[in-house]
Amino acid sequence: DTGVSQNPRHKITKRGQNVTFRCDPISEHNRLYWYRQTLGQGPEFLTYFQNEAQLEKSRLLSDRFSAERPKGSFSTLEIQRTEQGDSAMYLCASSLASVAGDRTDTQYFGPGTRLTVL
Amino acid sequence: AQTVTQSQPEMSVQEAETVTLSCTYDTSESDYYLFWYKQPPSRQMILVIRQEAYKQQNATENRFSVNFQKAAKSFSLKISDSQLGDAAMYFCAYRSPGGARQLTFGSGTQLTVLP
Repeated sequence: DTGVSQNPRHKITKRGQNVTFRCDPISEHNRLYWYRQTLGQGPEFLTYFQNEAQLEKSRLLSDRFSAERPKGSFSTLEIQRTEQGDSAMYLCASSLASVAGDRTDTQYFGPGTRLTVL
Repeated sequence: AQTVTQSQPEMSVQEAETVTLSCTYDTSESDYYLFWYKQPPSRQMILVIRQEAYKQQNATENRFSVNFQKAAKSFSLKISDSQLGDAAMYFCAYRSPGGARQLTFGSGTQLTVLP
């Protein structure tokens, strides 16, 4: 169990450019989540997948944001035409739908991708 | 919508002492899940402890325990025998049962451990 991994760890881009982040969940986990965290704040939910199906999207996820999980394994988050307000840490988490004796569906987080938009 | 409030932006504790971080939440649901996560300066979010609302017994994980007061909608974290490695930002989080899987986080408490 290598944990949730995210790449790249840091991304600096110019306003108007497109960026793509990747998340690899814990191997047996079928649920995957994206959150955004700005400095000094708690993470805010963006979207959630169960296997390859995107089941929930936050109002924070504008039309410029798109997420995919094509084979129910890794996921990508793309931001088109980046704006300075997109600068944040983007966190990925994963969970296993059913664990014997545990209903909490606990989410385990990756290290995040820090995006800076100049 | 559920909200989570952490009213202590910063706390400090002497090494080996005990500290309690507070968390309150607002919900109309009777069954839900509560979590404390720790985020050290490296920024990887780590699960500290979790609680199912229907369970009366307070969760405990080694030096970490919670005081879950369902009627008061309070979920505080107690850290005993504080260690330098406990220094981090601590987030309280809420999750509804059923279809809504996202976590709702509080704004965090920055814990400093003094040697």
